[in-house]
Amino acid sequence: NAGVTQTPKFQVLKTGQSMTLQCAQDMNHEYMSWYRQDPGMGLRLIHYSVGAGITDQGEVPNGYNVSRSTTEDFPLRLLSAAPSQTSVYFCASGDLGQGNTEAFFGQGTRLTVV
Amino acid sequence: DAKTTQPNSMESNEEEPVHLPCNHSTISGTDYIHWYRQLPSQGPEYVIHGLTSNVNNRMASLAIAEDRKSSTLILHRATLRDAAVYYCILRKYGNKLVFGAGTILRVKS
Repeated sequence: NAGVTQTPKFQVLKTGQSMTLQCAQDMNHEYMSWYRQDPGMGLRLIHYSVGAGITDQGEVPNGYNVSRSTTEDFPLRLLSAAPSQTSVYFCASGDLGQGNTEAFFGQGTRLTVV
Repeated sequence: DAKTTQPNSMESNEEEPVHLPCNHSTISGTDYIHWYRQLPSQGPEYVIHGLTSNVNNRMASLAIAEDRKSSTLILHRATLRDAAVYYCILRKYGNKLVFGAGTILRVKS
C-alpha cells in the first residue's frame, strides 16, 4: 500500500552541490511528474514522463534533469544547486487515461539550498 | 492549457455546507474538470472529477454548469479537517495537471 514514495523528506544542500531526489511508485502508472511549490504558491510543473524512456519539460525545467529507465522510478537531478531552488518538491503518478484518471502525490521533499 | 479562475479564499463554519466555485470559460469538449486539495504540509490529494454530469463521491459533490463554463465543488458538512487549499484543474488525455493558485478554505469552529 505504498503509493508514491519520495526520498529524502528533508535535505540541506550547499550552493553548487548536486543531488538526486528519488520518486518511486508501485501502481504501474505510465505517467509520472515532478512539481515544485514555493511558499504561498501553487505547484509548478518541472518535468514529466508518459512512460519509460520518454520525458518532457514542464514550465520550470531549468536546472533540473530527469530520466525514466523503469516504470516505477522517476528521479529528479539537481546538477548545481542554487538558493532559488529552495522549495518543496512533489512527485506525482497516474494512469494516462482520457483525462479521467486521478493523480497520486508523494508527501514531498523539502529542500533548502544555502 | 485552458485556465481556471477561483476565489483566493473562502471561509465556512463547521458543520455547514461549502460551495467552492470555479470558472473555466475556455474549456474544450475533451477537458475533464478535476478538483484536488492540499492539506497543510502535505501533497495534493484527489477529491473528485467530472466531464458533463454532476458527480458525487464520499468526499464531495461536483456540480457542472450546463455550458461547462463553470463548476462548483460542494462539501456537504465542512469539518476542521477540510481546511485546505482547493485546486480546480482542467485535464485532457495524457496531459499534465496544471495548478493555479487555488482557493484557501478556512473552517471556523
